[in-house]
Amino acid sequence: DAKTTQPTSMDCAEGRAANLPCNHSTISGNEYVYWYRQIHSQGPQYIIHGLKNNETNEMASLIITEDRKSSTLILPHATLRDTAVYYCIVRAFSGGYNKLIFGAGTRLAVHP
Amino acid sequence: DTGVSQDPRHKITKRGQNVTFRCDPISEHNRLYWYRQTLGQGPEFLTYFQNEAQLEKSRLLSDRFSAERPKGSFSTLEIQRTEQGDSAMYLCASSSSGDEQFFGPGTRLTVL
Repeated sequence: DAKTTQPTSMDCAEGRAANLPCNHSTISGNEYVYWYRQIHSQGPQYIIHGLKNNETNEMASLIITEDRKSSTLILPHATLRDTAVYYCIVRAFSGGYNKLIFGAGTRLAVHP
Repeated sequence: DTGVSQDPRHKITKRGQNVTFRCDPISEHNRLYWYRQTLGQGPEFLTYFQNEAQLEKSRLLSDRFSAERPKGSFSTLEIQRTEQGDSAMYLCASSSSGDEQFFGPGTRLTVL
């Protein structure tokens, strides 16, 4: 599975958009980009994933560059409850078996 | 609540003792994963079950570790002769045929 690079930490003001970048320059054609987050003292929570096209759900938007070497997770209106560690993971989808390889992630702090 | 549950949430033990953790996945999920997370790091994969079959074990899972899922429902993770280096959060996750893994709250183990 391709490795990812994320900033160690970021800050965001409440109500503003939080844009979390991820570099995955060695991504292969069949590998997806997944985002999970982990709020303090809880298990990780799935956010979104995508292959080529931009994706949006009720939690966030995922923007993948045309060359697929980087992506950005966007939380459109960050709240204090979005303070968490955000993990960008790249892996191939293999029929439901989905072992996740986590890095250190980005620690996002949302402040009032 | 139909999410993944783990028991106990916290365990303090003395070095050399055996401990056992339990994970109850979401009822219709046939895939179950165990991860370990140390302070400041992302979760690390330990092992994977599809129904009752243990299909993958990480090299992190030494001979002192054993995991079972006897009837393809709940799973147990046992650590024998605990060491201080075993202190960590042990996370369980389950999934069906889709991409999303659902994580439990974890069991925090402290070995004195």
